[in-house]
Amino acid sequence: QQQVKQSPQSLIVQKGGISIINCAYENTAFDYFPWYQQFPGKGPALLIAIRPDVSEKKEGRFTISFNKSAKQFSLHIMDSQPGDSATYFCAAALYGQNFVFGPGTRLSVLP
Amino acid sequence: DSGVTQTPKHLITATGQRVTLRCSPRSGDLSVYWYQQSLDQGLQFLIQYYNGEERAKGNILERFSAQQFPDLHSELNLSSLELGDSALYFCASSIRGGEGTDTQYFGPGTRLTVL
Repeated sequence: QQQVKQSPQSLIVQKGGISIINCAYENTAFDYFPWYQQFPGKGPALLIAIRPDVSEKKEGRFTISFNKSAKQFSLHIMDSQPGDSATYFCAAALYGQNFVFGPGTRLSVLP
Repeated sequence: DSGVTQTPKHLITATGQRVTLRCSPRSGDLSVYWYQQSLDQGLQFLIQYYNGEERAKGNILERFSAQQFPDLHSELNLSSLELGDSALYFCASSIRGGEGTDTQYFGPGTRLTVL
């Protein structure tokens, strides 16, 4: 019930395309859903986060779509750029508890 | 730059040895979290400290221990090291640590190699 599933494991997108990464959870008590971006040899960095009272949040080229009934959320990267090539982790957190991370998606954006 | 610092950046040691990893949280953050990331693996939560007290435990081995000092920096001690302990160890910090779901800010990590 604490697991967060993430797909795909890896993703290759052409420059200018849309990258979509999906996550699913089981515990309906999760109340915070962040996405982290990690470049090789670096620590994860917060990209964007959403709470379950909204269905979508957009920051620049990055959008989180949240489907509470389906217990799914996804990250959309519009106009993907080679600089977006990184590993992306979704996570979920319970109020006052620690984060549960998905296994990660390795994104490669081809020039 | 997240404001979280970790030292050393790299550590190479032998099996059976003991090492200490250090983390300084962002200014003002009271919580420190430790994570292990093995090759091609996700982030495994190890342990959390809040204002000097242990707050939560994850998949931390008995050979591992941690503490948070009065100045809020934290140390992760790994003993009787095994080849399988080779991994990236990340520290993260947040303002609070139990009263809500705070954003965690990650440090650059320590790469531990056990030979």
